[in-house]
Amino acid sequence: EVQLVESGGGLVQPGGSLKLSCAASGFIFSGSAMQWVRQASGKGLEWVGRIGSKTDSYATTYAASVKGRFTISRDDSKNTAYLQMNSLKTEDTAVYYCSRRDCSGGSCYSAFWGQGALVTVSS
Amino acid sequence: QSVLTQPPSASGTPGQRVTISCSGSSSNIGSNPVNWYQQLPGTAPKLLIYTNNQRPSGVPDRFSGSKSGTSASLAISGLQSEDEADYYCAAWDDSLNGVVFGGGTKLTVL
Repeated sequence: EVQLVESGGGLVQPGGSLKLSCAASGFIFSGSAMQWVRQASGKGLEWVGRIGSKTDSYATTYAASVKGRFTISRDDSKNTAYLQMNSLKTEDTAVYYCSRRDCSGGSCYSAFWGQGALVTVSS
Repeated sequence: QSVLTQPPSASGTPGQRVTISCSGSSSNIGSNPVNWYQQLPGTAPKLLIYTNNQRPSGVPDRFSGSKSGTSASLAISGLQSEDEADYYCAAWDDSLNGVVFGGGTKLTVL
């Protein structure tokens, strides 16, 4: 059974930093791309970014709203993906979901999702 | 404001067929496949339809997707109370070089 478990959420002041972890199990993590999606309270889904597997040279892509502030990384030896968030703004307050990014027929999508981690940016 | 446009709400009675539209542009839906996600109240999103019209294992065939030009739609037939959820469309956008989502459609089963 595929499982993704996020951790590391919490309250942080504007301008601060926070690092989320996403522990994966039930599939071959090293061969999978991962991505992060966030959702502000009562709002829709917003793509944050993605990281490829070793086959893709761990390539990363980010949404314009977080580029230069957020960094996605992974440790295949620990079956874990990370989201490092710096220079946080109040508008980054959201539940952050990690997901396994699968591709088929020219389409890539979040095939499996974690339960989410709440990040609150407030003074 | 979301790049993909969905109606904010939809409704139907049990057994009915409902459709949810998703409108985009040439840089997203017009040139890339569409995926749909279902988010039940208080839970994480779940993949419902991928690559325009493919259902993951375990998704009932009551759910179907289609795409034409720069628009896509999700159809739910034989509506059930457990289908009450938020539904989101998504696609890769070549201009933005990222995934774009619709604003979501809240489906109410009357």
